[in-house]
Amino acid sequence: NAGVTQTPKFQVLKTGQSMTLQCAQDMNHEYMSWYRQDPGMGLRLIHYSVGAGITDQGEVPNGYNVSRSTTEDFPLRLLSAAPSQTSVYFCAASKGALSTDTQYFGPGTRLTVL
Amino acid sequence: AQKITQTQPGMFVQEKEAVTLDCTYDTSDPSYGLFWYKQPSSGEMIFLIYQGSYDQQNATEGRYSLNFQKARKSANLVISASQLGDSAMYFCAMRGSNTGNQFYFGTGTSLTVIP
Repeated sequence: NAGVTQTPKFQVLKTGQSMTLQCAQDMNHEYMSWYRQDPGMGLRLIHYSVGAGITDQGEVPNGYNVSRSTTEDFPLRLLSAAPSQTSVYFCAASKGALSTDTQYFGPGTRLTVL
Repeated sequence: AQKITQTQPGMFVQEKEAVTLDCTYDTSDPSYGLFWYKQPSSGEMIFLIYQGSYDQQNATEGRYSLNFQKARKSANLVISASQLGDSAMYFCAMRGSNTGNQFYFGTGTSLTVIP
């Protein structure tokens, strides 16, 4: 039982490049989300999904796309990378969308955009 | 709007002493959950403890306890008998019942345990 996994762990991009951050979970959790973590700002929600086929925007969605074709996978796509997207990205999963449902995090991806 | 406030950017505690990390929140949701996470220097986010807004008793998990004062809208984390391995960033988070079920995080408190 691996929980939430993310690949890659580190990535360096040039401005304008695109890439996909992978996230997978084996807990059969319905709710998944992507956050970015910047110094002094805590975690900010980018996109989230309450189940396969359903996604919605969070606080900072611009420049990112998501899709949820299966319960297990929730990839995050950077369309045209910008230096402002340099950050640590976390994927998380929770059993459901109730206020009692704990969210479990993947190990994170450290992204640098030059 | 939901808001989580952690007013202590950095804290120091002597090994084996207890320490309290502050967290206040603001919400209009009738039901909500409060969570604490630990982020060591290795970077992963580790779930520590949960408190429900309707729970009558304060949550405890080993050396962690949550001092929940609903009227004051505070959910402070108490770590007893601090250990060197407790040195980390600590984040308070809230999940409401009426706010898209999103998590809202505070900006974190950096705890350093001194030998």
